[in-house]
Amino acid sequence: QQQVKQSPQSLIVQKGGIPIINCAYENTAFDYFPWYQQFPGKGPALLIAIRPDVSEKKEGRFTISFNKSAKQFSLHIMDSQPGDSATYFCAASINSGYSTLTFGKGTMLLVSP
Amino acid sequence: DSGVTQTPKHLITATGQRVTLRCSPRSGDLSVYWYQQSLDQGLQFLIQYYNGEERAKGNILERFSAQQFPDLHSELNLSSLELGDSALYFCASSVGGQGVYEQYFGPGTRLTVT
Repeated sequence: QQQVKQSPQSLIVQKGGIPIINCAYENTAFDYFPWYQQFPGKGPALLIAIRPDVSEKKEGRFTISFNKSAKQFSLHIMDSQPGDSATYFCAASINSGYSTLTFGKGTMLLVSP
Repeated sequence: DSGVTQTPKHLITATGQRVTLRCSPRSGDLSVYWYQQSLDQGLQFLIQYYNGEERAKGNILERFSAQQFPDLHSELNLSSLELGDSALYFCASSVGGQGVYEQYFGPGTRLTVT
């Protein structure tokens, strides 16, 4: 059973565009939502994370929007660059006990020059 | 560089064999996590150790086992290998155990079962 659904599977945008990646979760106990970025041949790296007490968080060109009632969150990349081409994973976790990350299946982003 | 090291980088073996993957966490991190990444299943959590003790278990097969040693390095043992076990195996580490801590991922071990 997939608890975090991510879309789209792949995305192509032109340089300067704003790619948007969406995730939806089912478990209402989730209260930590990170995004990971993975380049080919590398392990995932934490990009930005949000908790459900805020609806938006910005770090540089990366913004997470969070809609608790809809159980959805999304990643926006402003002024995208070719160097942003990577696979992006959303994830969710419960901030108590020995909780673990449940990942979406990933979105392969290509930013064309 | 995350500070997490994994060996070997690549591993090719035959069905039915047994392999051991090794992970050294970042200095100071007490938790180690193992993940399997495949094209169809994405990143799947396998198991977590905190300071030598198993703390959380995910979709880990009975043919797989792990342990964390006193020096905090961890090993993932995969036995009776099947073609479907071919995947990237990542180790991650974090400073804490309970609650949410940033996980730092290693570069992975690519396992190919022929």
